[in-house]
Order: sequence, then C-alpha cells, then structure tokens
Amino acid sequence: AQSVTQLGSHVSVSEGALVLLRCNYSSSVPPYLFWYVQYPNQGLQLLLKYTSAATLVKGINGFEAEFKKSETSFHLTKPSAHMSDAAEYFCAVRKGGSQGNLIFGKGTKLSVKP
Amino acid sequence: SQTIHQWPATLVQPVGSPLSLECTVEGTSNPNLYWYRQAAGRGLQLLFYSVGIGQISSEVPQNLSASRPQDRQFILSSKKLLLSDSGFYLCAWNRDSGRDTQYFGPGTRLTVL
Repeated sequence: AQSVTQLGSHVSVSEGALVLLRCNYSSSVPPYLFWYVQYPNQGLQLLLKYTSAATLVKGINGFEAEFKKSETSFHLTKPSAHMSDAAEYFCAVRKGGSQGNLIFGKGTKLSVKP
Repeated sequence: SQTIHQWPATLVQPVGSPLSLECTVEGTSNPNLYWYRQAAGRGLQLLFYSVGIGQISSEVPQNLSASRPQDRQFILSSKKLLLSDSGFYLCAWNRDSGRDTQYFGPGTRLTVL
C-alpha cells in the first residue's frame, strides 16, 4: 500500500533563505510522486511531478525536487524563498491501479518572514 | 485548454439540511473525476471518484453521495448535513488513462452550523 509522510506541519524561513520541505513515501510499486501548492481558499496547483524519468525534477516558481529511492524521499527545495511562496504544500503518491487516485500527505504550511 | 469549475464557492448550511455541490470540466471528454474533502490539519481525503457516466466509487463510507449525470459533470450531495461535514471540498480531473496529473478546481468552502 502507498503512503506519504510530510515531516513538519509548519516551516518558517526568512525571505531569501533556502526552502526545504520534506516528503517520504511508501510504495509497493514504482512511485509516481507529486508536489502541489495551495494558496488560501484556493484549489491545488501542480508544482512538479516525478514519473520515473530524471530523478531531479524542476517545477514552476523555481522549485525542484529530487527522487531518492534509497531514502524513499522526494523533498521539495527552492534556493531562495520569496514572500509569494507562503502557502501550504502537499506531497502525493499515485495509488496503484488504473484510476490514478492520489494519496496525499497532511501538508506543510510554509511561512516566509521579511 | 481545459478548465474546471466548482459551484458555489462558499456555502453556509444548517445541520440536517440537504447539500448539492457541482463540478464541471470543459475542454476534454471522458475525464476521471474526483471529490476530495479537506478538513483543518487533516490533509486531503478522497471521497469519491468516477471513471465514466453513472460510475461512482466511494472511498469512505459517510452520509455523502456522488453522481455523474453527464460526462463532464460531477455532483456531491447529502440528504442531511452533519457538523462534521464542514470543510473545503475540492473537485479534480485527469485524463481517462488515469496516469495523468490531477488538476483541481477552485474549491467550495462548506460551513455547517
């Protein structure tokens, strides 16, 4: 069975600092992994996805994530935080089967201090 | 291009009243459709998904139901709302292969009083 664990429900960084949001997964099949971002009272927007191609995945807004099979991790990073990055971030793994159902982590709320 | 709409954006309902939330997708055909609920501190919970008209799968037993009367329309309903039904409801779609990214609508904020 697939599962996702996001370490840290809240992360606070200063503007210009490195952003690191942690995600560990469990999957009995080769995983498809996703990071989504949610701004207040809005839907989820795809940041990036890993689908068994390159292990370093680049997404929108300067974010990237690295798939590490040995560590079962898919951490999200951005070299320099911007105030507009303040949002909630969700890691997800695609469930096995043809329906494409996603299993989400509980989310990490990112705050950016000026 | 494809777009997904949800209606209404916000809703305040008394306990015991009925519910109907609507989701429509434009610009594609035969999408997979999903309903999620997001409650504070609990992430996203998949409620229902549908691979075609009239085909509904339920992930969590509850007092909610879903229907898909048309190819690109997905409706979430309840006959009698509970306080615990409060939350942010998100509709999503992906292509019928199921392997594609899920794209989310803007959501409906439901408050049950």
